[in-house]
Amino acid sequence: EDQVTQSPEALRLQEGESSSLNCSYTVSGLRGLFWYRQDPGKGPEFLFTLYSAGEEKEKERLKATLTKKESFLHITAPKPEDSATYLCAVQARSGGGADGLTFGKGTHLIIQP
Amino acid sequence: DSGVTQTPKHLITATGQRVTLRCSPRSGDLSVYWYQQSLDQGLQFLIQYYNGEERAKGNILERFSAQQFPDLHSELNLSSLELGDSALYFCASSVAPGGGIEQFFGPGTRLTVL
Repeated sequence: EDQVTQSPEALRLQEGESSSLNCSYTVSGLRGLFWYRQDPGKGPEFLFTLYSAGEEKEKERLKATLTKKESFLHITAPKPEDSATYLCAVQARSGGGADGLTFGKGTHLIIQP
Repeated sequence: DSGVTQTPKHLITATGQRVTLRCSPRSGDLSVYWYQQSLDQGLQFLIQYYNGEERAKGNILERFSAQQFPDLHSELNLSSLELGDSALYFCASSVAPGGGIEQFFGPGTRLTVL
């Protein structure tokens, strides 16, 4: 069974204090690892897709990296508007043809001014 | 704004009732997905449609069903509702089915079963 574990569950940082969020996964053949941002009461907003170990992608203050067992979302010099829940999801090479994503429980990030 | 629309935004109903949630995918997207988000289970994949046909099922209960219409909008039908069905229901769409293709989520429908 595909599993995604995110840590920490919650993280409080001061504005400008860089940190990393972790996503550990167990999957039967990875087709893609996805990062989403979710604000309270809203739908997840797509951030990145990573396909293979060693791959990195950047967007503004965020950088996502991937190894064979985990992914990291690095946030550099965060601002209060970066406060949100960050979700990691995997898509596996399942036999049923399903393209549905398996999500972790998320990391609730708070950036204090 | 992802371009995916969902109606209604909120729905309050009683146990035993039946409701229908509606989703319109982004323009040009052929594949639609339904997800359920609850506090204890997180986001869970329910079902996927592609170009009007069911492509795959996830953790969807037998009391739930869905369909995708010729204009590509989709409906999720929830029947014999229980208190535990209270959750946020999200629709997502992608340009096509397949691995590694980004899924874009709608704003969700919050269902409360009393």
